[in-house]
Amino acid sequence: DTGVSQNPRHKITKRGQNVTFRCDPISEHNRLYWYRQTLGQGPEFLTYFQNEAQLEKSRLLSDRFSAERPKGSFSTLEIQRTEQGDSAMYLCASSMDVNTIYFGEGSWLTVV
Amino acid sequence: QQQVKQSPQSLIVQKGGISIINCAYENTAFDYFPWYQQFPGKGPALLIAIRPDVSEKKEGRFTISFNKSAKQFSLHIMDSQPGDSATYFCASNQGAQKLVFGQGTRLTINP
Repeated sequence: DTGVSQNPRHKITKRGQNVTFRCDPISEHNRLYWYRQTLGQGPEFLTYFQNEAQLEKSRLLSDRFSAERPKGSFSTLEIQRTEQGDSAMYLCASSMDVNTIYFGEGSWLTVV
Repeated sequence: QQQVKQSPQSLIVQKGGISIINCAYENTAFDYFPWYQQFPGKGPALLIAIRPDVSEKKEGRFTISFNKSAKQFSLHIMDSQPGDSATYFCASNQGAQKLVFGQGTRLTINP
């Protein structure tokens, strides 16, 4: 069990550029989540997959954000036309059941 | 709208003391209450969790106390150690798919 793996761990990008983060969940976990965390705040839910189906998206997930989970394995989170307000840590999590959710180390995004 | 309110924002405890962090929730439909521990630069790690059918759950030095009528739950860390210094988040489930988190408590254990 290698845990939830996220990469890159850190990304600095210029405003207006696109960025993509990848998440590899714990093997056999069929549920995958993306959260966003800013300094001094708790994680905020962005979206949820069960297998390859994206079942829920937060209102926080604007049209510039898109997430995919092809074949129900790894997932990607893409942010298009980044803005300074997108600077945050993007956390991926996975679980086998509805409650015991395990988080990855996060991917830090800085938009300059 | 914040559905889980956590206090205090920061807490300093002497080594060996008891650390207590409180949370209050609004939605009576919540039925799962975990606590997460987060170290700087790391993702949150599940520490302990409770369901509303019990009033207390203990795992080692960590205890959750749950008061369903008051819609409150708390984390108690007994014999607090410097290695416990971290940010702690309470959470509740919102629907079957996601957790809603409190604002976090930065805990510092002085040696």
